[in-house]
Amino acid sequence: DTGVSQDPRHKITKRGQNVTFRCDPISEHNRLYWYRQTLGQGPEFLTYFQNEAQLEKSRLLSDRFSAERPKGSFSTLEIQRTEQGDSAMYLCASSLEPQNTEAFFGQGTRLTVV
Amino acid sequence: DAKTTQPPSMDCAEGRAANLPCNHSTISGNEYVYWYRQIHSQGPQYIIHGLKNNETNEMASLIITEDRKSSTLILPHATLRDTAVYYCIVRVPSISNFGNEKLTFGTGTRLTIIP
Repeated sequence: DTGVSQDPRHKITKRGQNVTFRCDPISEHNRLYWYRQTLGQGPEFLTYFQNEAQLEKSRLLSDRFSAERPKGSFSTLEIQRTEQGDSAMYLCASSLEPQNTEAFFGQGTRLTVV
Repeated sequence: DAKTTQPPSMDCAEGRAANLPCNHSTISGNEYVYWYRQIHSQGPQYIIHGLKNNETNEMASLIITEDRKSSTLILPHATLRDTAVYYCIVRVPSISNFGNEKLTFGTGTRLTIIP
């Protein structure tokens, strides 16, 4: 297992376009998290899934953001009508609950909206 | 909002012990203290966690005060590769109480190891 994988690593898009990111968690990890990180700040929680169920969403997750985990394995995060303020690193993490207590993070997808 | 307070930056000489403090005065009885670090351009990496007893693993030691209002992460022999941002996190219970809570990050401590 190569850990949490995120694709793409970098994305440049024009304002107003839609973008979709993918996260492949560690095999059999039932918990999956999405975070967003801007320069100089710690990661901010966006949402998390337990298997395919989305259990919590941050108020940061506006109507333009949607996340799915249809089969309880990989997850996608879509941002519609991107804005310059969406420029950030988007991090995915997974864990196995309740056995494990540590979350494993991917390398992130860096989004730049121009 | 983060429930911890950490100094924004610290320096440590290579080979010496790095002691990173964290205040969490409002911690609840069932909340754990977690430490993660983030090396430039990488995702955060788990280091260690504890409830009330001191903990040690191959990476670090965690010392939690008896009143649990503060803790210290100790890197016993710091190397240049330990240069990173270190986050002290108190776990927030999830609304569904599945047994693991989301991690709420603050701004952390930027640790620089000096050759």
